[in-house]
Amino acid sequence: SQQGEEDPQALSIQEGENATMNCSYKTSINNLQWYRQNSGRGLVHLILIRSNEREKHSGRLRVTLDTSKKSSSLLITASRAADTASYFCATDGTHETSGSRLTFGEGTQLTVNP
Amino acid sequence: SAVISQKPSRDICQRGTSLTIQCQVDSQVTMMFWYRQQPGQSLTLIATANQGSEATYESGFVIDKFPISRPNLTFSTLTVSNMSPEDSSIYLCSVRQGANQPQHFGDGTRLSIL
Repeated sequence: SQQGEEDPQALSIQEGENATMNCSYKTSINNLQWYRQNSGRGLVHLILIRSNEREKHSGRLRVTLDTSKKSSSLLITASRAADTASYFCATDGTHETSGSRLTFGEGTQLTVNP
Repeated sequence: SAVISQKPSRDICQRGTSLTIQCQVDSQVTMMFWYRQQPGQSLTLIATANQGSEATYESGFVIDKFPISRPNLTFSTLTVSNMSPEDSSIYLCSVRQGANQPQHFGDGTRLSIL
C-alpha cells in the first residue's frame, strides 16, 4: 500500500515563482527521498533526508522533514519551465518480512508556465 | 551514482506472450528492486531481487506471473508472463547500496499489450 500522500496533486505556477509540495506519511521511517519524473521517463533522485535531519538543500531545492508531524516538504525556488514534471516522495522504512524498502506517494504534477 | 541500463526501453506485445526485461548496473550493488507504474499512477514495488536466491514478492505479485532472476550483483531480469492488457505499464529497475542510502532508477521499460 502507498504510505505517502502528497498535496497538491497538481500545481501550476509562473516561471520565477516558488513551488512547494508536501508529503505526509503514516509510520516510522529511516529516511524520505524525493524524485522527479519527466513524462514517460525514469525517476531522477533529488534529495534524501534522514529521520534525524530537519532540512537539506541542493541548489534550488530545499527539503524539510518533521517526524513529529510525519510530513515533509519540497520547495523549488525560482522555478523554470524545465522544472515541469511529476514529483514523488518515497518513504524508506523497515518491514518485518521484506526488510528495508521504498514506498511511494501519489505524486504532484508541477507545471511551470513560461 | 550507479548507471542503470534497462532493455528494452519499450515494446508492444501480443496478449498471452511473455517478455523478459533486463537491468544492468555498471557497478556492484547490494539491493535491486523491480517496480511497476501503471498509466497515470505512482510506483508500486513488485519484488526485491535477491542474489542467488528467490526474489521477495510484495502482496499481490506472484512468482509465476513475474519471475525474477539475479545471478550476480550487477544484473537482474524481470519476466512478465502470459501478458494481458492490464499489464500495460512502465516497469522500472531500481538499485541502492544499503539501508539509508539513495535509491536510483533506470529509465524504465514501457510495455503495451494489445
